[in-house]
Amino acid sequence: ETGVTQSPTHLIKTRGQQVTLRCSSQSGHNTVSWYQQALGQGPQFIFQYYREEENGRGNFPPRFSGLQFPNYSSELNVNALELDDSALYLCASSPGLAGVAGELFFGEGSRLTVL
Amino acid sequence: TQLLEQSPQFLSIQEGENLTVYCNSSSVFSSLQWYRQEPGEGPVLLVTVVTGGEVKKLKRLTFQFGDARKDSSLHITAAQPGDTGLYLCAGATVNSGYSTLTFGKGTMLLVSP
Repeated sequence: ETGVTQSPTHLIKTRGQQVTLRCSSQSGHNTVSWYQQALGQGPQFIFQYYREEENGRGNFPPRFSGLQFPNYSSELNVNALELDDSALYLCASSPGLAGVAGELFFGEGSRLTVL
Repeated sequence: TQLLEQSPQFLSIQEGENLTVYCNSSSVFSSLQWYRQEPGEGPVLLVTVVTGGEVKKLKRLTFQFGDARKDSSLHITAAQPGDTGLYLCAGATVNSGYSTLTFGKGTMLLVSP
């Protein structure tokens, strides 16, 4: 039990649609990161938010965007879905200040299938 | 692009056997973490190693960080079915204003009774 919850746990979309995934971090965790884990792969860094601002981004196109809210919740939005977007999307929070690599507390993920 | 190579990709053993999995990179990381991920769940941190040559023990698990801070190994003694899962290594990089983890593809371990 990491104290990080994600919703929905599973969802199916079709190509071209848009999706919003939600995450609730542990209270006091100011940093939230999102990762994409394709089948048989390790998680890949999408972006990171610290105190409601994006402060780091991996190699993902602009149609991947996010928001972080003052109540320790956050969202990952993906527009114009493609088949390759099918993956497990993981939210991870940490108590540390941005720039300090510490333990990440992962949620159980949202499994997205794009048909 | 920093890459972490994990080996083997898949390991199937009997209860009671010992095993070692490896994590190698051409890059230096500020720290290296090992996670275990079970089906349908997110990764859970097992250990963080920071200093070159560091050895950490967690019950039957022994973690070692290479002297050059580019590689690491995980040794499990007397494996049990409860050890079954995907073992991921992740290298931490601190950039200007933020930090990221680069994950390997993982080693899938299956321990049969």
